[in-house]
Amino acid sequence: AQSVTQPDIHITVSEGASLELRCNYSYGATPYLFWYVQSPGQGLQLLLKYFSGDTLVQGIKGFEAEFKRSQSSFNLRKPSVHWSDAAEYFCAYSISSGSARQLTFGSGTQLTVLP
Amino acid sequence: NAGVTQTPKFQVLKTGQSMTLQCAQDMNHEYMSWYRQDPGMGLRLIHYSVGAGITDQGEVPNGYNVSRSTTEDFPLRLLSAAPSQTSVYFCASSYSTEGPASNYGYTFGSGTRLTVV
Repeated sequence: AQSVTQPDIHITVSEGASLELRCNYSYGATPYLFWYVQSPGQGLQLLLKYFSGDTLVQGIKGFEAEFKRSQSSFNLRKPSVHWSDAAEYFCAYSISSGSARQLTFGSGTQLTVLP
Repeated sequence: NAGVTQTPKFQVLKTGQSMTLQCAQDMNHEYMSWYRQDPGMGLRLIHYSVGAGITDQGEVPNGYNVSRSTTEDFPLRLLSAAPSQTSVYFCASSYSTEGPASNYGYTFGSGTRLTVV
C-alpha cells in the first residue's frame, strides 16, 4: 500500500542545535514530496517541495530537505533551530491519478525547542 | 488576496444535528479538498473536487457530503453528526495537474474545530 511514514512522534532539541526530521514513503515511482509545518491552532504552511531534479531542496525559514531514492526518504533538516520552530511537521506526498491528485500525509512529528 | 477561508472556526454540535462547514477560495484553483486532522493520524482526505460539478471520495468519506457548484466554494455537510466526527477540519485548494509544476502546491485554510457531544 502507498504510504508515508514519520517514525518520530516527538523530537526535542535545544535552541541552536541542528535538526533532522525523518520521512519515508512507500510508492512504486517517485511521487511529489512535501513538508508542511503547523503552528498551534493554525493551518498548514508549505515549507518546501520536491518534484524532480536536484535532490537537495531549499525551503522557507532556513529549512532544506534531501530526496534519497535508494532509501525512499525525504528528510527535513535545519542547521540551527530557533525557538519559533516549535511546531508540528508533516511530510506528505502526492500522486496523480488522471485529473485528480491525492495528498497523503504522514502522522506528523511534534518538535519541542528547549531554551 | 484572502486565500482559503473557512467558517466557522469553532462549532459544537449535538449528536444527530446537521451542519455545513464552509470553504471558499479566491485563487481560481480548480482542485479543492477537505481533510480531517486527528491526533496521531495526520490529515486524512474526506472528499475532493477537480472542478465545478465534479466531486469524489477520499479516504474517509462516510458521514460527509460535498458539492461544488462554483469554482470558489466547496462546502462540507454533516447530515447527522456523530461523536466520531469530532475533529479539526481543513480545506485546501490548488491548481490542477495540468498547471505548471511550480504551482503544484496546496493552500490550506486555518481550520474548523468541531466538537460533537
